[in-house]
Amino acid sequence: GAVVSQHPSRVICKSGTSVKIECRSLDFQATTMFWYRQFPKKSLMLMATSNEGSKATYEQGVEKDKFLINHASLTLSTLTVTSAHPEDSSFYICSASTGPTSYNEQFFGPGTRLTVL
Amino acid sequence: DAKTTQPPSMDCAEGRAANLPCNHSTISGNEYVYWYRQIHSQGPQYIIHGLKNNETNEMASLIITEDRKSSTLILPHATLRDTAVYYCISPSQETSGSRLTFGEGTQLTVNP
Repeated sequence: GAVVSQHPSRVICKSGTSVKIECRSLDFQATTMFWYRQFPKKSLMLMATSNEGSKATYEQGVEKDKFLINHASLTLSTLTVTSAHPEDSSFYICSASTGPTSYNEQFFGPGTRLTVL
Repeated sequence: DAKTTQPPSMDCAEGRAANLPCNHSTISGNEYVYWYRQIHSQGPQYIIHGLKNNETNEMASLIITEDRKSSTLILPHATLRDTAVYYCISPSQETSGSRLTFGEGTQLTVNP
């Protein structure tokens, strides 16, 4: 099956620093990638949708200048949390699909747990 | 997206069938029903999807009522590893791409 990886799996950083999370589709080309955030005991919340080679579309309430998304190739998208604060501590999950079709099967990465001290 | 309603939690004995219900009474004719699950501290995993016919794959079966207002995900022989949160999603075809909106899902606990 299609595999999506994320790196790192866990990261601890100091308040005010920036953290980059990578999401890779290992055995398929992902024209569309999604970034989600999940707080403890809560459901996944979509943050943004990115299509390869174009700017990401952010969900309402998500600061685009704080959560920088780059989708420069068909197998790699990155999320950079800039000037991280403790309230940004969360589980960040990416997913990938082969693009907009009538089938919304997304392949999810294993997630990255971010802790901001 | 069509609004979906699921019970917050269910229990099932190991080896027995787990039947997880989902109501989607506002679903429109071209909207699919998708099921994903999330094991604790992992990314979600696709299970199955359907439009109007019942579907079966190696993981589960999906039974959709004739009026399409509800569906049931069936895990025929639940194991301890099936303990997870199960999400029923019906994305709108009018929204861009493969956008999925996750609700609260059903926490399925498989007991030994």
